[in-house]
Amino acid sequence: QKEVEQDPGPLSVPEGAIVSLNCTYSNSAFQYFMWYRQYSRKGPELLMYTYSSGNKEDGRFTAQVDKSSKYISLFIRDSQPSDSATYLCAMREPGGSYIPTFGRGTSLIVHP
Amino acid sequence: DAGVTQSPTHLIKTRGQHVTLRCSPISGHKSVSWYQQVLGQGPQFIFQYYEKEERGRGNFPDRFSARQFPNYSSELNVNALLLGDSALYLCASSSDRGRDTEAFFGQGTRLTVV
Repeated sequence: QKEVEQDPGPLSVPEGAIVSLNCTYSNSAFQYFMWYRQYSRKGPELLMYTYSSGNKEDGRFTAQVDKSSKYISLFIRDSQPSDSATYLCAMREPGGSYIPTFGRGTSLIVHP
Repeated sequence: DAGVTQSPTHLIKTRGQHVTLRCSPISGHKSVSWYQQVLGQGPQFIFQYYEKEERGRGNFPDRFSARQFPNYSSELNVNALLLGDSALYLCASSSDRGRDTEAFFGQGTRLTVV
């Protein structure tokens, strides 16, 4: 079993839909949770950053962490074709060398 | 303000050759990390350097090496290239403060080994 599991998709939705992207993990020491967006042939871009459990909202994006279930989610409201990309979850333990463990990414396609 | 810059953007090498990839971090970031990303997978950690010292090493063979210079830029070297080394090589920089402790990535170097 991998430390971080993420469904690769692809997930195809119509423009304007609410998108839910998820990851599960096995390491209970993870305390920092990130979501990266990666367009084709580009480097990942840090989208959301959350510490411990709870919700965090930034515009159309909401990150949710449930440490009791070892489950994190990213919600995208009013999805746009420009949101089409691969979304990578990442997480790490506190302190030390700040090296995150990544999921394999979910490919999202938002069609007009 | 410039982000993380990597060079070259694309590279084609022959099996057995050596390659050097370069990275300049975000201004003020003292930590540089290298990742390998093969198609359809998430980035896999190779090395992390902080203040010119190796701070972490992933599960990669000794053919992979890296170093960090006094201006915090970094090089990743790969010797005796194999076909399986074909991937997107990502450099990320970070600092030790707040949100910037997380990795900020460059656009990557796409290496093809033929």
